[in-house]
Amino acid sequence: DTAVSQTPKYLVTQMGNDKSIKCEQNLGHDTMYWYKQDSKKFLKIMFSYNNKELIINETVPNRFSPKSPDKAHLNLHINSLELGDSAVYFCASSSPPGLAGEDTQYFGPGTRLTVL
Amino acid sequence: GENVEQHPSTLSVQEGDSAVIKCTYSDSASNYFPWYKQELGKRPQLIIDIRSNVGEKKDQRIAVTLNKTAKHFSLHITETQPEDSAVYFCAASKPGSARQLTFGSGTQLTVLP
Repeated sequence: DTAVSQTPKYLVTQMGNDKSIKCEQNLGHDTMYWYKQDSKKFLKIMFSYNNKELIINETVPNRFSPKSPDKAHLNLHINSLELGDSAVYFCASSSPPGLAGEDTQYFGPGTRLTVL
Repeated sequence: GENVEQHPSTLSVQEGDSAVIKCTYSDSASNYFPWYKQELGKRPQLIIDIRSNVGEKKDQRIAVTLNKTAKHFSLHITETQPEDSAVYFCAASKPGSARQLTFGSGTQLTVLP
């Protein structure tokens, strides 16, 4: 019954590895997002994906790539992991534009990534 | 791009007192301002939001005010309770096909019993 889910909840890996985080929403939303929360709790948008339109935050390294197999899923793939990638990654989703409550973003439980 | 500043970074109040958190934004095109509460180890959860066509919104003990001219908005929590202790984030976004939230830096609210 979880609206937005992510796997895994914890991810510990070595520097230089490639890893993926999966996100799924069962709310029927068309728009999904990835946010990064650093050690100081600062939340920053990384990507948003709406009806196959990808909007990339320009500060995100191209080692990060979102992949959306369908509108209910938005996965995050990270190549060549670096120490600075350690953070909590949150997926979120919201309704299509024009619908009531469109702006409300529902967050997943987060994935704590630790790069050693 | 949008820049959101949030103050204070930490706030301690006695149970039953009121708490006020303030945010300013830079982009006059922003028209949606949500507030999220994040408990330790949990996801951010929306507690209240306001759009630029209203100046104030209230939901039980929580209220938000918006001053578009000054580009600032505030969260007011009355009759605080220990379970209100959490990190609170303000955010702003502009109209568009996908609303990207720009968050403030967060306020750690501690309600002392």
